[in-house]
Amino acid sequence: NAGVMQNPRHLVRRRGQEARLRCSPMKGHSHVYWYRQLPEEGLKFMVYLQKENIIDESGMPKERFSAEFPKEGPSILRIQQVVRGDSAAYFCASSPTQGTEAFFGQGTRLTVV
Amino acid sequence: DQQVKQNSPSLSVQEGRISILNCDYTNSMFDYFLWYKKYPAEGPTFLISISSIKDKNEDGRFTVFLNKSAKHLSLHIVPSQPGDSAVYFCAGNTGGFKTIFGAGTRLFVKA
Repeated sequence: NAGVMQNPRHLVRRRGQEARLRCSPMKGHSHVYWYRQLPEEGLKFMVYLQKENIIDESGMPKERFSAEFPKEGPSILRIQQVVRGDSAAYFCASSPTQGTEAFFGQGTRLTVV
Repeated sequence: DQQVKQNSPSLSVQEGRISILNCDYTNSMFDYFLWYKKYPAEGPTFLISISSIKDKNEDGRFTVFLNKSAKHLSLHIVPSQPGDSAVYFCAGNTGGFKTIFGAGTRLFVKA
């Protein structure tokens, strides 16, 4: 049973471009969470999704950021018109049910130049 | 609004001794607490958890203590090993909707 798969592992974007981060949860997991870790900081909750539904996006910036978890395929975190401050490690986690511990992917390190 | 606080950014311990990592929280609605361990360039891995109705949970060398009245929890690692050197995140969860993490404590275990 493969773990949570995130790709790409590293992503470099110029200011103003779009960044797309993908996350395939563990098999059988229908709950997906995205977190952002800025340098020297902890993990900040961004969004919680179930299949085709956004349950809680209270941690996600209102502009430029969006997330989806379609019926088929991976969850996508999309950042439009990236700025230098978006440079961070973005982690995805999944769990089989609500309220259980989540399993994390290895993260995508986004660098905006 | 920091709901979970880990006030010690780093901790250094001799191999074989006890490591104690502390965590304070402000959200009294948390009903589940977790500790994760993170190595550089990897995602966090789940270590141990405790329900808010308990005050202690033990798993091998790892024990988590919860003091609800003080809104404090701690992770004890005994005996500490060099392989335990990592960043440890404390987290709280309210009904499973989202998990709030602390800033982490970097543990160094010296051989």
